Amino acid sequence: GQSLEQPSEVTAVEGAIVQINCTYQTSGFYGLSWYQQHDGGAPTFLSYNALDGLEETGRFSSFLSRSDSYGYLLLQELQMKDSASYFCATGAGSYQLTFGKGTKLSVIP
Amino acid sequence: DVKVTQSSRYLVKRTGEKVFLECVQDMDHENMFWYRQDPGLGLRLIYFSYDVKMKEKGDIPEGYSVSREKKERFSLILESASTNQTSMYLCASRSTGGSNQPQHFGDGTRLSIL
Repeated sequence: GQSLEQPSEVTAVEGAIVQINCTYQTSGFYGLSWYQQHDGGAPTFLSYNALDGLEETGRFSSFLSRSDSYGYLLLQELQMKDSASYFCATGAGSYQLTFGKGTKLSVIP
Repeated sequence: DVKVTQSSRYLVKRTGEKVFLECVQDMDHENMFWYRQDPGLGLRLIYFSYDVKMKEKGDIPEGYSVSREKKERFSLILESASTNQTSMYLCASRSTGGSNQPQHFGDGTRLSIL
């Protein structure tokens, strides 16, 4: 089976940098994805890592280390609108994803 | 932009009722998914469909069934609703091609079973 662990809550100051970690245990690895969900909203896709290293998309970056079964999402120049829940997810076969329980990020002034 | 539309934003039903949740996507995606989301538990996969008339059980299929008669529509059915099925239900779709393809979610249906 698949399981992913991530912190339940993180608080950071506006303008700062925050890192949300994710460790996973999988019977087969199909990449690591990140999704963002604002309160009352739909999850939206942020990034996907299939190979080791850092992927950058604007203020957001995602990192993967397959040997450590570990990844993280890095958010720079935090804005109030970044307050949301962030989910890591890994493929559980060719089709489905297994999600972590989510990290609630609170950005404070 | 991909649009995934769920038929109801809020729904209240009674114990024992048969409940239908509908989901429609407009991007000709092959794969569709139903999740439930509960506080502290994240998103859990109920069923998915990789093509028309094809369905596979996810992690928590008990008490649910699905139907996919047309490519754009994926229905979740609660055969006899129970209070422990009170939850937020999310539908998603994705083009075929593997786990690197993003899933696109609807806004969710908040279902209350009384």
